[in-house]
Amino acid sequence: DAGVTQSPTHLIKTRGQQVTLRCSPKSGHDTVSWYQQALGQGPQFIFQYYEEEERQRGNFPDRFSGHQFPNYSSELNVNALLLGDSALYLCASTTQLLAGGFEQYFGPGTRLTVT
Amino acid sequence: GNSVTQMEGPVTLSEEAFLTINCTYTATGYPSLFWYVQYPGEGLQLLLKATKADDKGSNKGFEATYRKETTSFHLEKGSVQVSDSAVYFCALISYNTDKLIFGTGTRLQVFP
Repeated sequence: DAGVTQSPTHLIKTRGQQVTLRCSPKSGHDTVSWYQQALGQGPQFIFQYYEEEERQRGNFPDRFSGHQFPNYSSELNVNALLLGDSALYLCASTTQLLAGGFEQYFGPGTRLTVT
Repeated sequence: GNSVTQMEGPVTLSEEAFLTINCTYTATGYPSLFWYVQYPGEGLQLLLKATKADDKGSNKGFEATYRKETTSFHLEKGSVQVSDSAVYFCALISYNTDKLIFGTGTRLQVFP
């Protein structure tokens, strides 16, 4: 059973450009969340997709947008890149626990460098 | 709002030493609590979890107990190995959402 997969592994972009990152959730998971992890920091929640709709959003500008496809895979798009967008972008898929609560599984991440 | 506070690192230990990494939280309701581990160059792996007060999560020799009275979820291991060297993140999910809120992480370095 494949876990959460992300592509590409690494990416280098120039300020002002646009970027698209991709994620496939763990088999059987229908909810995908995206996180940004700056160097030396904990991950910060960007947004979450469920049933092809954005369900929750963190404190990120509209330059960050996303999409979920019918097969539950997801894309994260960032427009007008800034140097401060350089980070590891993590995708997580969610399952609801029988005992209550949720559990999230993370992919290996995409390292974005903006120059 | 909800938040997680972890002890700052790095934590430097010799192999077979006892490990404690402190974590406290602020949350409304009854959150679920997690420890994630991140090895160099990799994503996050779930290490252990606890979903209600007094639950003890355990995995690979690591343990953490959900203490509601002290709002804490400290990570412990009786005898660390060099292979445990990584960054450890404490996190919570509040009861009505599945958004993870992370601490800033604690780097553990174990030397032979």
